[in-house]
Amino acid sequence: AQSVTQLDSQVPVFEEAPVELRCNYSSSVSVYLFWYVQYPNQGLQLLLKYLSGSTLVKGINGFEAEFNKSQTSFHLRKPSVHISDTAEYFCAVITMNTGFQKLVFGTGTRLLVSP
Amino acid sequence: GAGVSQSPRYKVAKRGQDVALRCDPISGHVSLFWYQQALGQGPEFLTYFQNEAQLDKSGLPSDRFFAERPEGSVSTLKIQRTQQEDSAVYLCASSSKGGIGLADNEQFFGPGTRLTVL
Repeated sequence: AQSVTQLDSQVPVFEEAPVELRCNYSSSVSVYLFWYVQYPNQGLQLLLKYLSGSTLVKGINGFEAEFNKSQTSFHLRKPSVHISDTAEYFCAVITMNTGFQKLVFGTGTRLLVSP
Repeated sequence: GAGVSQSPRYKVAKRGQDVALRCDPISGHVSLFWYQQALGQGPEFLTYFQNEAQLDKSGLPSDRFFAERPEGSVSTLKIQRTQQEDSAVYLCASSSKGGIGLADNEQFFGPGTRLTVL
């Protein structure tokens, strides 16, 4: 069965600094990878996804992620964060051997951006 | 609105009570998912519908949990005889397509229902 590990439960960072949120997955079959953001009292919003092709994926709000098959990682990066980026970020994986798009999520990383 | 809506947004129940949580997916969406998000955790899959058919319910924690989507649109998640460990946010998501081989079939999430069992 596939699983997702987010190594950092919380990442504090100053405004305009770069940030990286780490995600590692385990699966014996081809995977599709996603990053979602959750603002307080809101549902999950898709930031970006890797399905195939270029391993560098660009998403909304200036975020990007790189799929690294050899390291089974899909780390999320942003070169300069804003206060408004403060939220919970979830990495997720889908494997198609289940016959439908069942998302398996990590435990999340809380990004705290301070002035 | 055009998004997924859920009601109620907050529900407080006494232990042993039955609750019903409603999900209105985006109009025309074939697939509907329920997830449970415990405090400090990521969402965990509960069940999946393709139209009115419940194709997977492997994530339902016990036989106290029951989900339905009788007309292939609105779905209800029912929890009988609630327990404190049922306290969580219940998220509903829908996607436009169903079936295998469609990894680009984005799931759109509702705001969730926060259930607190006292």
